Amino acid sequence: EPEVTQTPSHQVTQMGQEVILRCVPISNHLYFYWYRQILGQKVEFLVSFYNNEISEKSEIFDDQFSVERPDGSNFTLKIRSTKLEDSAMYFCASSAGAGPLYGYTFGSGTRLTVV
Amino acid sequence: KQEVTQIPAALSVPEGENLVLNCSFTDSAIYNLQWFRQDPGKGLTSLLLIQSSQREQTSGRLNASLDKSSGRSTLYIAASQPGDSATYLCAVRSSDYKLSFGAGTTVTVRA
Repeated sequence: EPEVTQTPSHQVTQMGQEVILRCVPISNHLYFYWYRQILGQKVEFLVSFYNNEISEKSEIFDDQFSVERPDGSNFTLKIRSTKLEDSAMYFCASSAGAGPLYGYTFGSGTRLTVV
Repeated sequence: KQEVTQIPAALSVPEGENLVLNCSFTDSAIYNLQWFRQDPGKGLTSLLLIQSSQREQTSGRLNASLDKSSGRSTLYIAASQPGDSATYLCAVRSSDYKLSFGAGTTVTVRA
């Protein structure tokens, strides 16, 4: 079964450093997403991406965050200057479409620890 | 803003018992509802997707129902096994392009 692949599985970074989280969505999917889950809290939406542009973003997704699809397979989330409160599990997801027929496939996540 | 609530927060049952997990949401204008399983420290595995026009979906021992008008979905797991121990998340896709998640129900099946 096709999978969404995320790397690295765990990243530790110092506060103020830039991090890039990487994802390879399912190859024929068109919509890409980032979600995060702070320990003990709900999974929350960050951003959706379609046709090489952001289609929607949450209030969490401020100027410190950016997304990019640098080639035909990768989808990245960059955090420019990490803060302690950015520590969370970050999930990439993709879907084949945006209508009622389509569900999400999630990756196994990147655990980001900011120290 | 869509709010998703899952009750109970935790559930412990002996092996073989049926499980009933509840999910409620505040805005009935949804595209679909998806149930996920999450093992500790792991990713989200999709279990079932119910479109807004459907009343239920079944996959093996899993059955999910949807009552959109009352804002409720129920996940039934028949004849539970220790391997079913995990956190089960309900996620609602509203008319925009994002999922709203509940906090999950953590299930423990005792052998």
